[in-house]
Amino acid sequence: GAGVSQSPSNKVTEKGKDVELRCDPISGHTALYWYRQSLGQGLEFLIYFQGNSAPDKSGLPSDRFSAERTGGSVSTLTIQRTQQEDSAVYLCASSLGTSGGDTQYFGPGTRLTVL
Amino acid sequence: GQNIDQPTEMTATEGAIVQINCTYQTSGFNGLFWYQQHAGEAPTFLSYNVLDGLEEKGRFSSFLSRSKGYSYLLLKELQMKDSASYLCAVRDEGKLIFGQGTTLQVKP
Repeated sequence: GAGVSQSPSNKVTEKGKDVELRCDPISGHTALYWYRQSLGQGLEFLIYFQGNSAPDKSGLPSDRFSAERTGGSVSTLTIQRTQQEDSAVYLCASSLGTSGGDTQYFGPGTRLTVL
Repeated sequence: GQNIDQPTEMTATEGAIVQINCTYQTSGFNGLFWYQQHAGEAPTFLSYNVLDGLEEKGRFSSFLSRSKGYSYLLLKELQMKDSASYLCAVRDEGKLIFGQGTTLQVKP
C-alpha cells in the first residue's frame, strides 16, 4: 500500500518568511510524528499526535514552530519567521499506535533551505 | 536527560561481519529500534527489541541489555548495499529519541 508522503520535497525560502510542510500518513495509522535532521546530525523529535489526545509538543524548538492534524489524518508543520538555523530535512512518520512495538514508518522528507 | 551514543563511522569489508554498538541513558524506555538510512533517503525499519536478548532477522541481528543500557546491531555477510547510516533509537512513551547514527562504509 501507499507509504507516508510529504510535500513539497524541497523548499527554498528567504529568512523571515513563513513555510508550511505537509504530511500524509499511512491510511489507518493513528499516530503521526514530526522529526528534523540537520546536516550531519541525528533525528530530532519535534511533535507527535495520537488519535484525539493532546499532541506532545515537547520537542518544538521555539514558538515559531507549530503543527496541526486535521481529521486525524493529514498534518501540517508551520514554521513562522524562518531563520537560517531552521534549514534541515523535516521528516514525518506514522504508526498504527504508540505501543512499544508499533513501528514508525518514515516519509521521504522535505528539505528546507532558508537563505 | 536523554543520551544515546553510537560510533560516528565504521568501515568493514564485503563478506565480513560488523557490530555497531549503542549505549543509552533515557528517562523512559519502551523499546529500542534500529533503522537503516541510505544517503538522501528516509530511514527504514530494521529491528525492535524490548526484552533482553538477541533478535535475529536474516543477515541482521540486534541485541539488548536493559540493565546495561546497551544494544548492538550485528550485520553478517556484508554486501556493498549495506553501506548506509545505522540509527539507534529509544522509544520514550510515543516518541523516538535517536542517536547521531553510525555511517558504515563497506569496501570490496
